[in-house]
Order: sequence, then C-alpha cells, then structure tokens
Amino acid sequence: EVQLVESGGGLVQPGGSLRLSCAASGFTFSSYSMNWVRQAPGKGLEWISYISRSSTTIYYADSVKGRFTISRDNVKNSLYLQMNSLRAEDTAVYYCARNGGYCSSISCYTYWGQGILVTVSS
Amino acid sequence: QSVLTQPPSASGTPGQRVTISCSGSSSNIGSNTVNWYQQLPGTAPNLLIYSNDQRPSGVPDRFSGSKSGTSASLAISGLQSEDEAEYYCAARDDSLSGYVVFGGGTKLTVL
Repeated sequence: EVQLVESGGGLVQPGGSLRLSCAASGFTFSSYSMNWVRQAPGKGLEWISYISRSSTTIYYADSVKGRFTISRDNVKNSLYLQMNSLRAEDTAVYYCARNGGYCSSISCYTYWGQGILVTVSS
Repeated sequence: QSVLTQPPSASGTPGQRVTISCSGSSSNIGSNTVNWYQQLPGTAPNLLIYSNDQRPSGVPDRFSGSKSGTSASLAISGLQSEDEAEYYCAARDDSLSGYVVFGGGTKLTVL
C-alpha cells in the first residue's frame, strides 16, 4: 500500500525556518517524481515545488522561490522541504504528492499524504 | 486569483447531473492535459480524472471529464450525497511564471 506521511510542521515565528519531511513507503520511491502542494486555511490548493526522480530537475512556484528548497533522499525514501524566511502567508497545510504511475503529467498526483499544518505567527 | 477559473459553487439534488467548468488559457489547458481532484471535508485531495477524461481505478463512471480548447469540464451524473465536496482542476502551465496551476475550487452541495 502506498503511503506518504508528512512530519515537521508546527508553529514558527515570521522570519523563521522549518523543515518538512515526507516518508514514502509501499512503492519504489526513486522511480517517481514528487511535489509539495499547500492549502491555506479555507483556501484552495497551491502547487509549490517539484523534484524529478534523480533530483536533476527542480521547479518552484514564484511565491516560494528563493526561500524554500525541495530535496529528496532515495536511500531513505524521503522527500523534504526546507522553508526559510517564513511569512504569515505561508501558513497552510502542506501535502507531499506523488506523480506518475498511470498518468505522466506533472500536474497529475496519484497519491497524497495526509498533510501537515505549518503556522507562521508571532 | 487563480490562473484556472472555476465557479465557486455548484449544487444539485440526488440523481441529477451537474457540471463544473474550468477555464484557462493557451499556456495551460490549451496545450496540456487537465486533471481533476476531489477533496472531501477534512481530508487530502484525491485524483478523480486524469488526462482530461480518464478515470483512475475505483472512481465510479458517474464522473467524467472533457476538454475543448482552453476549457475543461467535470460532469457528475446520478448525484449522490457523498459527492458533496470541493473539486479542483489542475494543469501544467508553460508560461514563464508557473509550472502547475490549480483552479480556485468549486464547492459542490447536494441539496
């Protein structure tokens, strides 16, 4: 069974940093590109970052470019999101999401984690 | 303001057919496939339709998708109470400012 489990969320002050992790199991992690998608309270979904299978291709949304860094460890079957210079508007539930399988589009997420809340507030 | 435009709400009675639209541009829907997600209250999103009109295994055939030009639609026939959820469209965007764009979401209410 495919499982994606996020961790590392919590309350952080504006300007602070946080590192999210996503532990993957039930599939060959190194064979799939991965993403982070977030959802502010009461708002819609926002894609924020993509990383290819071997980390050779990385994309960011303009809203987080220069502040967030996506990475992965294919030995530990884990995806990460290093978040620096956090702002109040970064407050959201953060989901890790897997691409691939039966659909090839970068916007096709066949599996999602349960999400982890990040709150940026003083 | 989302790049893909969806109506904020839709509604129908049990058994009815409802459609949800998703409008984009030549850089996203016009040149890439559209995917739809269903998000039940308090849960993570779930892939409902991929590649414009394909259903993942386990998704009832009451759900269907289509695309024409720079717009896409999600249709739900035989509406059921458990279909009450938020629905999002998504597509790759080939413009300089983005890679993946979502619609703002449509809250479907089953009356």
